[in-house]
Amino acid sequence: AQKITQTQPGMFVQEKEAVTLDCTYDTSDPSYGLFWYKQPSSGEMIFLIYQGSYDQQNATEGRYSLNFQKARKSANLVISASQLGDSAMYFCAMREGAGAQKLVFGQGTRLTINP
Amino acid sequence: ETGVTQTPRHLVMGMTNKKSLKCEQHLGHNAMYWYKQSAKKPLELMFVYNFKEQTENNSVPSRFSPECPNSSHLFLHLHTLQPEDSALYLCASSQDRGPYTDTQYFGPGTRLTVL
Repeated sequence: AQKITQTQPGMFVQEKEAVTLDCTYDTSDPSYGLFWYKQPSSGEMIFLIYQGSYDQQNATEGRYSLNFQKARKSANLVISASQLGDSAMYFCAMREGAGAQKLVFGQGTRLTINP
Repeated sequence: ETGVTQTPRHLVMGMTNKKSLKCEQHLGHNAMYWYKQSAKKPLELMFVYNFKEQTENNSVPSRFSPECPNSSHLFLHLHTLQPEDSALYLCASSQDRGPYTDTQYFGPGTRLTVL
């Protein structure tokens, strides 16, 4: 079974609109971490935001926020006021166990921002 | 921030060649990673090094040989590769604090083509 599922292969959004990228995960470990990375066409994986399984509040970083619904095992990324530079691949990833170092990635969502 | 650098950025090699990929991190981290990103597949962890010691080998073929001379440098030695090894190879680093591990930060990757 897939650990991380991103069901949207591609998303097209108008500039300045908000966008939600979906991510569901599967784990039986009570301690885990969820990450979102952005990968522009240049290839570099850029860390965006982190949510720990015990965090009480949803993580936020500037225009990025994570809609964490633990019971549903979902960790959707919300980008507010999208910009042309947001066009990229977006990957959700999970680390099972606080001390674990292995990250498991989803297939990614290609986001295109239209002017 | 260019905390993790990788060279070369692009590499074309024949199946009988020997080449090396280099990664350097300037973040003071103590853990380093090699990942492989093939077309249409999720990012896959290859190797993990903690304090220069290899702690994980994710069933990687022996034609890939990692080397970690110190906590800041990581190499991936390549020999007798196959065309299916063509991919983007990403290096990452993080701070391992024992009970938990911090976020992984990635380099720009080396795009490898095996002819």
